[in-house]
Amino acid sequence: DGGITQSPKYLFRKEGQNVTLSCEQNLNHDAMYWYRQDPGQGLRLIYYSQIVNDFQKGDIAEGYSVSREKKESFPLTVTSAQKNPTAFYLCASSLRDQPQHFGDGTRLSIL
Amino acid sequence: GIQVEQSPPDLILQEGANSTLRCNFSDSVNNLQWFHQNPWGQLINLFYIPSGTKQNGRLSATTVATERYSLLYISSSQTTDSGVYFCAVDPYYGNNRLAFGKGNQVVVIP
Repeated sequence: DGGITQSPKYLFRKEGQNVTLSCEQNLNHDAMYWYRQDPGQGLRLIYYSQIVNDFQKGDIAEGYSVSREKKESFPLTVTSAQKNPTAFYLCASSLRDQPQHFGDGTRLSIL
Repeated sequence: GIQVEQSPPDLILQEGANSTLRCNFSDSVNNLQWFHQNPWGQLINLFYIPSGTKQNGRLSATTVATERYSLLYISSSQTTDSGVYFCAVDPYYGNNRLAFGKGNQVVVIP
């Protein structure tokens, strides 16, 4: 089936650690996005990529990093510089100027 | 950046009732999407509607781009309609970067 796969569903991080969230899509979409959702809030854009080997910062990029080496994959690293990483992270993809479709998300918590 | 405001923030419905959710936005947009987030956090596409009216079963949506608002109608509500409804817009300068409202929390009681 075509879709967007995020893994893991739940992730725990110790203080000072970097962690990487996976996002893979087999929809042949050019663009991919990472959003963060805090309780009771809407989603906020962290990073996005419109083509392979290129990506741009969103509204809340500090403390995060991404790569886009393959069209299908857009991993997000939450670095130790992100002081409040506990949140629900959602990945999306789309064709140019078409609706965005979302994965099921990863819940990140700090131990 | 663009502001997206949704109202009402919370809504409790009796099963079978109808309701209207509203999304106001502060600038011109290239597109607008409505999503339903279920209790497990999954975000489901409902409508991609930069302008005009669309219907899908018991749900319909209307966007009046010139007046910068969109409406989502739920008719004959069911308990499975419970969840949070999000409006998200792509500003005309946005390169398909979505700006989300804070959502409408809907609870449908039997």
